[in-house]
Amino acid sequence: LAKTTQPISMDSYEGQEVNITCSHNNIATNDYITWYQQFPSQGPRFIIQGYKTKVTNEVASLFIPADRKSSTLSLPRVSLSDTAVYYCLVGDGEGGKLIFGQGTELSVKP
Amino acid sequence: DVKVTQSSRYLVKRTGEKVFLECVQDMDHENMFWYRQDPGLGLRLIYFSYDVKMKEKGDIPEGYSVSREKKERFSLILESASTNQTSMYLCASSLPGSENQPQHFGDGTRLSIL
Repeated sequence: LAKTTQPISMDSYEGQEVNITCSHNNIATNDYITWYQQFPSQGPRFIIQGYKTKVTNEVASLFIPADRKSSTLSLPRVSLSDTAVYYCLVGDGEGGKLIFGQGTELSVKP
Repeated sequence: DVKVTQSSRYLVKRTGEKVFLECVQDMDHENMFWYRQDPGLGLRLIYFSYDVKMKEKGDIPEGYSVSREKKERFSLILESASTNQTSMYLCASSLPGSENQPQHFGDGTRLSIL
């Protein structure tokens, strides 16, 4: 199973770039890497997904090295509203289950 | 926009009761999932379903069952509720094809078993 490891928490200040790294040593060949964001009292929300190299959308960028054993979610110029828990997921290739780790609790301060 | 609706935001039940948690999605998604979320443990998959009347066990199915009689509705059942089932329950749906399809979540049901 492709389990993931992320930092439990991170602190940042408004306007800074935040990079959250996730390790997934057992990622399968066909697996994509997906990141979700969760605010208190809400369900997780899809942010970005990638397979290799770099993906960018209006919210974030995702950097994936050639060996795909890790990935980095980059949030440019965070604001207070980016305070949330961020989950990194990879598919386990068996029956379509996704494995949520404990997530990274990002706290953005003024 | 995909909408996943869970029938209750908060629910209080007693030990031994049979509890039903309902989830409805409006985007004709084949895949539906039930998770529970507990502090320090993240989200854990209880059951999932890829089609009507089809179900698969997740990582923690003990004490739970599910029902998928219609494509848009996926119900989680606690046959005999226990206090260790007090948790936040999250339902999700996704398109078919592979596990790489993004999942769309409801806002959760916070269930307390007294």
